[in-house]
Amino acid sequence: DVKVTQSSRYLVKRTGEKVFLECVQDMDHENMFWYRQDPGLGLRLIYFSYDVKMKEKGDIPEGYSVSREKKERFSLILESASTNQTSMYLCASSTTRDTEAFFGQGTRLTVV
Amino acid sequence: GQSLEQPSEVTAVEGAIVQINCTYQTSGFYGLSWYQQHDGGAPTFLSYNALDGLEETGRFSSFLSRSDSYGYLLLQELQMKDSASYFCAVNQAGTALIFGKGTTLSVSS
Repeated sequence: DVKVTQSSRYLVKRTGEKVFLECVQDMDHENMFWYRQDPGLGLRLIYFSYDVKMKEKGDIPEGYSVSREKKERFSLILESASTNQTSMYLCASSTTRDTEAFFGQGTRLTVV
Repeated sequence: GQSLEQPSEVTAVEGAIVQINCTYQTSGFYGLSWYQQHDGGAPTFLSYNALDGLEETGRFSSFLSRSDSYGYLLLQELQMKDSASYFCAVNQAGTALIFGKGTTLSVSS
C-alpha cells in the first residue's frame, strides 16, 4: 500500500514561531504537493515539487517555503507563523506517469 | 488564471442518482480527476478522464467534454456511506493538481 505520512496530526504553535511540517512517502514518487484546506475554500495548492531540490509555487505560497532534499521527504516551513495560517495541511504524492495522487492524513495546525 | 466551479452542496436519498458538475478554466490541461473526502479523512482518488467520454467504475461514472471544459461525476444507487465531499481537480501539465472548492453530498434514508 502506498503510504504518505505526515509527522503530526495536530499541532499548536505560537504566533511568530517557525513551524516545520514534515511529509514522507514510501513509493518513490516524483511529485509531492502541499495543500491547505479551509471550509468553503477547498484544497489550495501551496507548493509542489517534481524532483529532489526542485520546487514550484502554487496558488498561495506567501508566508510558506518548502524543502525537498530527499525524494521521499517534502517539508513545509512557516517562517513566522500567523493566526491566518491556522488550517488543515495536506501532503500528497504522485508519479509523473500516474494520474492518482495519494494523500496523507493531514496536520491540523492551530496558531495562537 | 485558473478556476474550477462545482456546486457547494447536493442532497439526495438512498437509491437515487446524483450528478455533480464541474466546469474549469485552466491552461496546460491534461485531464480531470475526482476525489472523495469523508469528514476527518484524507481525499481519496475516484476517477480520471483525459479524453472525452464516460468512464465507469462500479456505481460511479465520470464524464469529460474537453471542448466544453466540463465534466461530471455520476453516483448511482446512492448509499448513506456516499455522504462526503467530492472534489474535481485538474491535472495540469502532468504535475500540479488544482482542486475545486468541493461539493458536499448528503444522502438521507
